[in-house]
Amino acid sequence: DAGVIQSPRHEVTEMGQEVTLRCKPISGHDYLFWYRQTMMRGLELLIYFNNNVPIDDSGMPEDRFSAKMPNASFSTLKIQPSEPRDSAVYFCASSLGGGATETQYFGPGTRLLVL
Amino acid sequence: AQSVAQPEDQVNVAEGNPLTVKCTYSVSGNPYLFWYVQYPNRGLQFLLKYITGDNLVKGSYGFEAEFNKSQTSFHLKKPSALVSDSALYFCAVRDKGTGGFKTIFGAGTRLFVKA
Repeated sequence: DAGVIQSPRHEVTEMGQEVTLRCKPISGHDYLFWYRQTMMRGLELLIYFNNNVPIDDSGMPEDRFSAKMPNASFSTLKIQPSEPRDSAVYFCASSLGGGATETQYFGPGTRLLVL
Repeated sequence: AQSVAQPEDQVNVAEGNPLTVKCTYSVSGNPYLFWYVQYPNRGLQFLLKYITGDNLVKGSYGFEAEFNKSQTSFHLKKPSALVSDSALYFCAVRDKGTGGFKTIFGAGTRLFVKA
């Protein structure tokens, strides 16, 4: 398996622009997680899905952020409009099941810079 | 509320010496505990987890961790450090009792292994 795939790997944009980050989870995994990593705040869980349904979005910082999972093999995280404080590395992770079997597999991340 | 503390921002150790990376946690019920490692410009990789049973958990790359319920700790250890172990290490916790799959990560500890 190719592992969790994220695109783009790097994104530079200007304040106010829309940004869309993409994730393809490992085939067969039924949980998908979006994280944000910054020096100041560390690794934060933004939202996670189970079987394509959002379960907990309490970590989404504000309404400018939205996430979708239209099918089992694709998810997007959108920021509209983007702001400089959104600059971070965004990770997608997937796992198969929960409880004792939960091991999250992380993608390489998307490094976002908002100017 | 659940939380994780990694009291050391950085740990320095000489190659061949034993290493310990500390982690303490707080949950309302029984915990699931995890260690992840992050190499530069890469996503997190799973090292090991404690779910139940034996307090000493063995994981990837020769790492192990000991669950200590009375001290609410889950320190990561390795008998003989390698230069290639230099990376950022994250401890994470999830409360079995609260349901859901929200995993809380510590701030991370940077490990430097000197040749």
